[in-house]
This record gives sequence, structure tokens and C-alpha cells, in this order.
Amino acid sequence: EPEVTQTPSHQVTQMGQEVILRCVPISNHLYFYWYRQILGQKVEFLVSFYNNEISEKSEIFDDQFSVERPDGSNFTLKIRSTKLEDSAMYFCASSVRTAGEAFFGQGTRLTVV
Amino acid sequence: GDSVTQMEGPVTLSEEAFLTINCTYTATGYPSLFWYVQYPGEGLQLLLKATKADDKGSNKGFEATYRKETTSFHLEKGSVQVSDSAVYFCALGYPAISSGSARQLTFGSGTQLTVLP
Repeated sequence: EPEVTQTPSHQVTQMGQEVILRCVPISNHLYFYWYRQILGQKVEFLVSFYNNEISEKSEIFDDQFSVERPDGSNFTLKIRSTKLEDSAMYFCASSVRTAGEAFFGQGTRLTVV
Repeated sequence: GDSVTQMEGPVTLSEEAFLTINCTYTATGYPSLFWYVQYPGEGLQLLLKATKADDKGSNKGFEATYRKETTSFHLEKGSVQVSDSAVYFCALGYPAISSGSARQLTFGSGTQLTVLP
């Protein structure tokens, strides 16, 4: 069964460092998403991506964040200068059409120390 | 803006007990409603969905009915199993308004369910 894969599963980084979270969406999907979940809180939307550009983004997705689909396969989330409050589980998702039929990866747990 | 409110967890039940997890929503339009499940160490998986009022979504013995009059989408299962232990998320979303629009989901806070043998 096709699945969304995310790497790494857990990343620890020092405050101020750049991190890149990687995702391989399902191959025939056209829409890509990043969500995050701070421990004990809601799953929050960060950004959606279609046709090689950002479709929508939340207020969380500020200038420290960027997304890229560098090679038609991977979908990455970069955090330029991490803060302690960026510690969270980051989920990648992809869908053929509607947001509700999105398939999620298993998540990357980011810990900023 | 849109929001989803789920009952607070954690919920602990004995095997074969009846499960209800409450979910209510506020929405500016006419969303579709979803339940996602997250098993330990795994990603979110779509459990069931309903796209319009009075629709009932069902899967793996779980059911939820889209109630527009009460703005609710409560998840139920008649007899839970130990393997149902997971975190359950209620969510709402809208279909893409055009082929270039990737509309996102709005999630509730999740409810941890533990089923004891």
C-alpha cells in the first residue's frame, strides 16, 4: 500500500540551528501539506503546496519556515533558525484532491535544546 | 474561523465496552467531517468521513453521523477491542475550491483511548 514517508523520525537540534525535515509523498498525489503538533496540543496546519508553489499558509508559517519540492519526489520543510517553541511533532501529508483524503506520514519529532 | 472541539481524554475502557467520543464544530461554510486515528508510533490514518448533513461514516465498526442541527460528529463503537487503543482526532475540511487550491484540515485536540483486556 502506498504511504507517505518522513525522515528522520526524531531530530534533536540546538537553538538557532537550521533543520530540514524530509517527506516523500505518495507518487501520484498533487497536494502536499505540513502540520505540526506541540506535545499535548492540537494538530495545527502550517502550509499547503500545489503546482510547485505555496497554496495556503497559517500565521505560524513565518519567514523562518520554507518549503520546497526540489526533485519532484521529496517535499521538505526548512526551519531557518530554530527556537525552543519549534519543538513539536511535524507531520507531512499528501492528497490527490481534497484535503480530507490526505494521507499522513508517521511524523518527525523535532526537539530543540 | 473554523474550530473543532473534542471531549477531553484520556478515555479508559474495558474490552467490549461501548465507546463514544464527542466532537462538535464551528464552521463558516459547509465542511466535510472526518475522524483520524493515530496508533502508537504511526502517522494519522483516515478512519471515516461524512461529506454532508445526515451522512453516516463507518469503518472497522466505528460510526459517526454528521449532525448539522447540533454541529456534532460523535464517534461511536459498540464493542471496543484492545487493538483500538490509539489517539482519535476529529477534523473538518473543505474540498478544493479550484484545482489550484489545497485546502487544509482543522483538527481537534485528539482523544487518547486505552482499552484494557
